[in-house]
Amino acid sequence: GQNIDQPTEMTATEGAIVQINCTYQTSGFNGLFWYQQHAGEAPTFLSYNVLDGLEEKGRFSSFLSRSKGYSYLLLKELQMKDSASYLCAVRDGTSGTYKYIFGTGTRLKVLA
Amino acid sequence: SAVISQKPSRDICQRGTSLTIQCQVDSQVTMMFWYRQQPGQSLTLIATANQGSEATYESGFVIDKFPISRPNLTFSTLTVSNMSPEDSSIYLCSSRDRGNGELFFGEGSRLTVL
Repeated sequence: GQNIDQPTEMTATEGAIVQINCTYQTSGFNGLFWYQQHAGEAPTFLSYNVLDGLEEKGRFSSFLSRSKGYSYLLLKELQMKDSASYLCAVRDGTSGTYKYIFGTGTRLKVLA
Repeated sequence: SAVISQKPSRDICQRGTSLTIQCQVDSQVTMMFWYRQQPGQSLTLIATANQGSEATYESGFVIDKFPISRPNLTFSTLTVSNMSPEDSSIYLCSSRDRGNGELFFGEGSRLTVL
């Protein structure tokens, strides 16, 4: 089976930096994805890591350590519109076809 | 990435009835995934649907309750059968982009069962 854990809620101030962690246990790891989901909307793709290290995309960066089963999403220069849920998802190839398993999700509140 | 049109966007249903959710993709895709998102929760995978074969269901989900069709490479349906209030949820279909393989989603179907 898979366990993918994230903190339930985080609060940060506009303009600050926040790091959202994700830990996972899976036998057929084939990539880790981060998604943003605003209330009432479908998730939208933010970033992807399959090799160890940091991937940077503007204000958003994501890090992966496969040996530790660990990833984080880093949001810089926080804006009010960043208030949303952030979901990490692991692509698992154990069954012979890929499937995407989502973590518990982190609700981020950005305060003025 | 491709676009998925999902309907209905929302519905209110009576206990014991069934409802079919449809997803249409604007390009051909091999795999489609159906998720459930209960209020305040993350996404739970219901099943994976490949064209031309039976859907593969995750633990806790069965075909009799959630029958899925995948008649061609651009369309899929999920039926929620014999609904109860516990089935009140958002149901999302998704597929995989050909780039990095990230998922893209339909707009979701919010079902309320009375």
